[in-house]
Amino acid sequence: GAVVSQHPSRVICKSGTSVKIECRSLDFQATTMFWYRQFPKQSLMLMATSNEGSKATYEQGVEKDKFLINHASLTLSTLTVTSAHPEDSSFYICSAPGTAREAFFGQGTRLTVV
Amino acid sequence: AQSVAQPEDQVNVAEGNPLTVKCTYSVSGNPYLFWYVQYPNRGLQFLLKYITGDNLVKGSYGFEAEFNKSQTSFHLKKPSALVSDSALYFCAVRDGPNQGGKLIFGQGTELSVKP
Repeated sequence: GAVVSQHPSRVICKSGTSVKIECRSLDFQATTMFWYRQFPKQSLMLMATSNEGSKATYEQGVEKDKFLINHASLTLSTLTVTSAHPEDSSFYICSAPGTAREAFFGQGTRLTVV
Repeated sequence: AQSVAQPEDQVNVAEGNPLTVKCTYSVSGNPYLFWYVQYPNRGLQFLLKYITGDNLVKGSYGFEAEFNKSQTSFHLKKPSALVSDSALYFCAVRDGPNQGGKLIFGQGTELSVKP
């Protein structure tokens, strides 16, 4: 099946710094990528939808300036958490829609802001 | 709007016993339903889907799900649970027939299988 590779799997950063998370589709082209945030033992909350060659679409309540999304190519989407604070600590997951309607997920990134 | 609900936060099953993880849905048109499993600190793995056709859908790792239109349910089942099945399970519905449509997830159900 299709593979979505997400990097890094874990990152610890200091408050005020920025962190970039990459999501790559390895054997297919993804014109759309979804970015989710997940709190411990809770469901996935859709943050935004990135589209190759155009601006990302953010869900209500998600700060665009804080969570910068770039979909630079058909195989790469990035999420940058800017000026990170401890409350941004979470598990972030990307996914790309497959050709048979199911979605393929990255491995997730555990962000800890200290 | 599309939505799914998983009424149980946790399901506990003894190894070797059958398991059921419940899911109900609410959609305005034809439902596109999915089950995913998540192990700790990992992304989601696809288990199975219902798009059309037979109401009983078979998926990965011996799991199956039954689509019931009258009860608007899509419960996940396995005849004989394994300890390694312990994980977080999510039911999801696709927001519209478009293949690029986003998935809307249920709250998740933590399955615990004891030896």
